[in-house]
Amino acid sequence: GENVEQHLSTLSVQEGDSAVIKCTYSDSASNYFPWYKQELGKRPQLIIDIRSNVGEKKDQRIAVTLNKTAKHFSLHITETQPEDSAVYFCAAPLPGRRALTFGSGTRLQVQP
Amino acid sequence: DSGVTQTPKHLITATGQRVTLRCSPRSGDLSVYWYQQSLDQGLQFLIQYYNGEERAKGNILERFSAQQFPDLHSELNLSSLELGDSALYFCASSVVEGMIEAFFGQGTRLTVV
Repeated sequence: GENVEQHLSTLSVQEGDSAVIKCTYSDSASNYFPWYKQELGKRPQLIIDIRSNVGEKKDQRIAVTLNKTAKHFSLHITETQPEDSAVYFCAAPLPGRRALTFGSGTRLQVQP
Repeated sequence: DSGVTQTPKHLITATGQRVTLRCSPRSGDLSVYWYQQSLDQGLQFLIQYYNGEERAKGNILERFSAQQFPDLHSELNLSSLELGDSALYFCASSVVEGMIEAFFGQGTRLTVV
């Protein structure tokens, strides 16, 4: 099966609301979980990441939480703005941990 | 600007042809990764190099090959091109293996006609 699954393909929120995107992973030995933001036609940009030895990490309006027991991690964006509209990809290590496998992406639409 | 440079940005070629995509990693990064992103699709891992050596392979077709040179730049060679090979090809680089804090280049958009 897939190493990482991102179940929500689209998410629409009103400007100022919070958005949460969740991913599940299958390898309990996975130790690194980044999130990438990709605007249309642009490169994926690393926006936040978390290692398996912590449960939460924040950077201004974005945060990532990790639940190792349930094997899922989530991206939280507070006070959403129109410029947050993009596709967000979660990722987890491939077997062998030399590269990442990416989720299928969640298109976030922030309505003004 | 991520510091990862890919050339060319756009490439249009005919079926059956061969093309070479180039990637220069960020200064100091030893590991290079190639990914393919088809229209409205996710990022599919192709191949990874570390300090000149191939280290991991993903869903890379036999028609595709890659290498990393002593100056650490990498090239992805795509041959006998088919219409379905049309996609965005990204490279990423990181200091260590595992794509820890990896940064992507702006991609090469390949169109096969």
